[in-house]
Amino acid sequence: RKEVEQDPGPFNVPEGATVAFNCTYSNSASQSFFWYRQDCRKEPKLLMSVYSSGNEDGRFTAQLNRASQYISLLIRDSKLSDSATYLCVVNDRGSTLGRLYFGRGTQLTVWP
Amino acid sequence: EAEVAQSPRYKITEKSQAVAFWCDPISGHATLYWYRQILGQGPELLVQFQDESVVDDSQLPKDRFSAERLKGVDSTLKIQPAELGDSAMYLCASSTWDRGLGSEAFFGQGTRLTVV
Repeated sequence: RKEVEQDPGPFNVPEGATVAFNCTYSNSASQSFFWYRQDCRKEPKLLMSVYSSGNEDGRFTAQLNRASQYISLLIRDSKLSDSATYLCVVNDRGSTLGRLYFGRGTQLTVWP
Repeated sequence: EAEVAQSPRYKITEKSQAVAFWCDPISGHATLYWYRQILGQGPELLVQFQDESVVDDSQLPKDRFSAERLKGVDSTLKIQPAELGDSAMYLCASSTWDRGLGSEAFFGQGTRLTVV
């Protein structure tokens, strides 16, 4: 079983739509959680960290459910520029210093 | 804004040849990662350094891959001999490390390797 599982999509939504991505992780000892955005043939870039209390950054809301080992990302009022792959990332402290595990990514296409 | 530098951006090599990638992390970042990303998949860790020490190379194919970070700053990843299946994007990332806080990683632009 992979450490981080994501629905690869693709998700195709019209501009203005609300879309949600989900991610599950296998290690209950995981400590830090992130969403990264990756444009086609580019490097991943941090979109936002995910905190236990949930956090919001403009149109983006991230939620963490430790009991269910589940992370979500909600995008409201989708823009064409939101088209990208969204990577769920989990940081396991454990015996390895800050190892980051990546999901395979969820592809989003926003159409006009 | 500080960036992770990687070179070359693109590399085409014939199978059985040797190839090397270079990475210069953000100044002061003790943790350096090398990831490999195949199209359509998420990045997979090859090797992780803390300063000059390897802390995780469990997924590094050691028969052909090697990595070093001699002075705890920049790093080199080498493949010898290259195989067709090594064609991928090789990403370097760096982060600070604090056991009290999870650290985000900052990525370089990557090296896209094509083995022919």
